[in-house]
Amino acid sequence: AQKVTQAQTEISVVEKEDVTLDCVYETRDTTYYLFWYKQPPSGELVFLIRRNSFDEQNEISGRYSWNFQKSTSSFNFTITASQVVDSAVYFCALSEAGSNYQLIWGAGTKLIIKP
Amino acid sequence: GAGVSQTPSNKVTEKGKYVELRCDPISGHTALYWYRQSLGQGPEFLIYFQGTGAADDSGLPNDRFFAVRPEGSVSTLKIQRTERGDSAVYLCASSLGPGDTDTQYFGPGTRLTVL
Repeated sequence: AQKVTQAQTEISVVEKEDVTLDCVYETRDTTYYLFWYKQPPSGELVFLIRRNSFDEQNEISGRYSWNFQKSTSSFNFTITASQVVDSAVYFCALSEAGSNYQLIWGAGTKLIIKP
Repeated sequence: GAGVSQTPSNKVTEKGKYVELRCDPISGHTALYWYRQSLGQGPEFLIYFQGTGAADDSGLPNDRFFAVRPEGSVSTLKIQRTERGDSAVYLCASSLGPGDTDTQYFGPGTRLTVL
């Protein structure tokens, strides 16, 4: 069974629109971490955020915000007032205490911001 | 400071040949991970080192793949008798600790093409 599901394969929006990337995860561990990484066309994975399973507070960092809801096993990512530089593939990932904290990745969502 | 570096950035080889891919982690990081990313997919875990030892090699696809980290810093991923299906981007990541609370930071990857 897929442990991390990113149902949106590709999203295209016009600059300045808000956009939300969905992530649904599955785990039996009580201790786990959730991540978002950005992979721009250059290819290097850039860390955006880490959340542990005991902290359900939402997080905001500039134009980025994350909504963690254990009740629905979701960790969604919203970009407000999107910019062309936000164009990239975004990956959601899970690490579990029971799996040596290796990252288990979703398939990624390709985000295209049109000028 | 310096991030994770990987060499070579690109490697083209012929089917059946042997290749070595190198990863230089962030100084002081004790944990090191190798992942493989095929086109259009999320990374796939291969192996995890804590110090010099392979703490988890459950992701290595078969015995043609082997990795070492003899001095607890630089790691080399070795692939014997390469096959066309081995073509992918090989990613290395390091983290400060054993991974439970520490974020993995990624290198730029080595793109391996097997002809």
